[in-house]
Formats: sequence, C-alpha cells, structure tokens
Amino acid sequence: DAGITQSPRHKVTETGTPVTLRCHQTENHRYMYWYRQDPGHGLRLIHYSYGVKDTDKGEVSDGYSVSRSKTEDFLLTLESATSSQTSVYFCAISEPQKGGLAEQYFGPGTRLTVT
Amino acid sequence: SQQGEEDPQALSIQEGENATMNCSYKTSINNLQWYRQNSGRGLVHLILIRSNEREKHSGRLRVTLDTSKKSSSLLITASRAADTASYFCATGGAAGNKLTFGGGTRVLVKP
Repeated sequence: DAGITQSPRHKVTETGTPVTLRCHQTENHRYMYWYRQDPGHGLRLIHYSYGVKDTDKGEVSDGYSVSRSKTEDFLLTLESATSSQTSVYFCAISEPQKGGLAEQYFGPGTRLTVT
Repeated sequence: SQQGEEDPQALSIQEGENATMNCSYKTSINNLQWYRQNSGRGLVHLILIRSNEREKHSGRLRVTLDTSKKSSSLLITASRAADTASYFCATGGAAGNKLTFGGGTRVLVKP
C-alpha cells in the first residue's frame, strides 16, 4: 500500500465520544486526503491537506476536523461521534504533478463503528 | 454528489471474456482516472487519461475518453478470476489535486 499505514484498523466506539484516526506515510508526498466509503455513495472526500498545517474541506466535512503537524502524519478527528459516521475511512496520498495530474495511493482503511 | 457515475453497477462474466464498464461525468475535467478495489482493501490506481487524450492502454486494460459526451470506458480483455473487484472512475479538475469518485462497478469473474 505504497508506504501508507492507518491506525487503528478497526474501532468500535459509542455515540458522543471523540475519535481520532491516524494516517502515516513514508513517501514524503505533499498531499494527503481523508475519504469515507459507504454503500451506494462510493468514496467521498472529507478533508485534505496540501502541506504541513495547510488543510481544506471536502464535500462531507461536517462533524470532522483534521490536523497535519508533520509531512508524514494526517489526523482525522470526530469530535463527537454519531451513528451516521459509521463507515470505512481511507487515507490517500499524492504528489502534485505538472498540470494538476496526480494519481493517489490509498491506505488499507479503518473500519469505524459508532454504536 | 458524485461527479462520475459508473454503468453498470454490477457485472458478471466468465473467465476469458472481456469486461466493459462506463463512466459518465458532469463538468469539465483535467484528467480521468480508474481505480480497482479488492474486497476489504484500499483502492489501487490503474490508469490516468488526460483530457486531451482519447485512448490509453496498459496491459489488458484499455481506457477511452470522449470529452464531448463526458464519458469514459474501461475495457478489461481476457478477464481472469483475479480481476474480480470493484472499479471506480475518478475525475480531476484543473484546480488542485482533488478527485471526485463515482459509485463503482462490481465485477465478478467466474472461473
């Protein structure tokens, strides 16, 4: 998985608790992304980062925050988990190319269940 | 909302047959990419086609792009059981490095 790890790989938590998911890369890629994957919705972008301390929202950012203090780590936090955030979360990385062309490399995913 | 919509949603074929899936999108793009996802795994990049390209090949994969119709197709020739997976198209705009993914096509290749 191109030097990308996600932790934890599985987590069950209760509604209202905070949860932090970690993405770690060893590729020194500038861009990092958090997606969620749900049946019938494909992959939807939550937040992404284009450099250390530089982040922006995706299409489903409500209820999520992110932080990137180092090139290699991108954290996704659910401040107060809800059942609608039960999903599989994927981290991805990419290195910008000329003309905005870049493939993304994905981590193995984190399966989060909010009860 | 999804930029890309794949068709069909599911496809079942015999080993050795070709598999074709299509992707339609709504707005102008800089590039279109195809990814594969095996069950329980992350996505793997297959091929990228630029907006000024019409066709691209990679091994048993052939991708076409018709920007006038805002559509792309992925052809897998001589399919194998190992090609069983979900396939996603993703579109990239001119600004930045964000991709918008479609809902995917589930392909089952029967031995």
